Amino acid sequence: GENVEQHPSTLSVQEGDSAVIKCTYSDSASNYFPWYKQELGKGPQLIIDIRSNVGEKKDQRIAVTLNKTAKHFSLHITETQPEDSAVYFCAASGSGGYQKVTFGTGTKLQVIP
Amino acid sequence: DAGVIQSPRHEVTEMGQEVTLRCKPISGHNSLFWYRQTMMRGLELLIYFNNNVPIDDSGMPEDRFSAKMPNASFSTLKIQPSEPRDSAVYFCASRTGTSVYEQYFGPGTRLTVT
Repeated sequence: GENVEQHPSTLSVQEGDSAVIKCTYSDSASNYFPWYKQELGKGPQLIIDIRSNVGEKKDQRIAVTLNKTAKHFSLHITETQPEDSAVYFCAASGSGGYQKVTFGTGTKLQVIP
Repeated sequence: DAGVIQSPRHEVTEMGQEVTLRCKPISGHNSLFWYRQTMMRGLELLIYFNNNVPIDDSGMPEDRFSAKMPNASFSTLKIQPSEPRDSAVYFCASRTGTSVYEQYFGPGTRLTVT
């Protein structure tokens, strides 16, 4: 089955700096890669996703990149703000019909004001 | 829309007791997922329903766990008998269709088994 590894497990950045979280996956058939943000006491919430036919996607201050050859994808947050502090999860899945979503182990991001 | 609703939000019980967690998915969503989150194992899929039918229960840890979805607006996850290692946060999520779309997570139930 799919295996998703995520690094780092914790990340502290100064407000205004950038944060980068990296993930690798094992199943070359995976072609859908969502990122979730989990705030304290809440369930994960999708913040951005990317499909295998796209190498990069951007939404305001967040962007994701995908390298299918190397089987890794990354989340980039620019101009970080204190409200970005949360746990971030990457995930990988196939698409079409039922495809199990496999989550990474999470990165706890702390933005220091 | 109220989003995915889970109850109770917190449950503390003694080892050996039966525990029932409840979930109401978003109206119109026909796929429902139960996840378990722990520090050691992260976020694990326990079971997936599509149109009220269990499709994949390979993540259910053992026979002590069972899940039902009697109708499109309600699902339960039952643990009987409960054990301290079942302590975790249990999330329910729902989504539309069978292709990959966004999963909407509920707020979770924090279960503590003493």
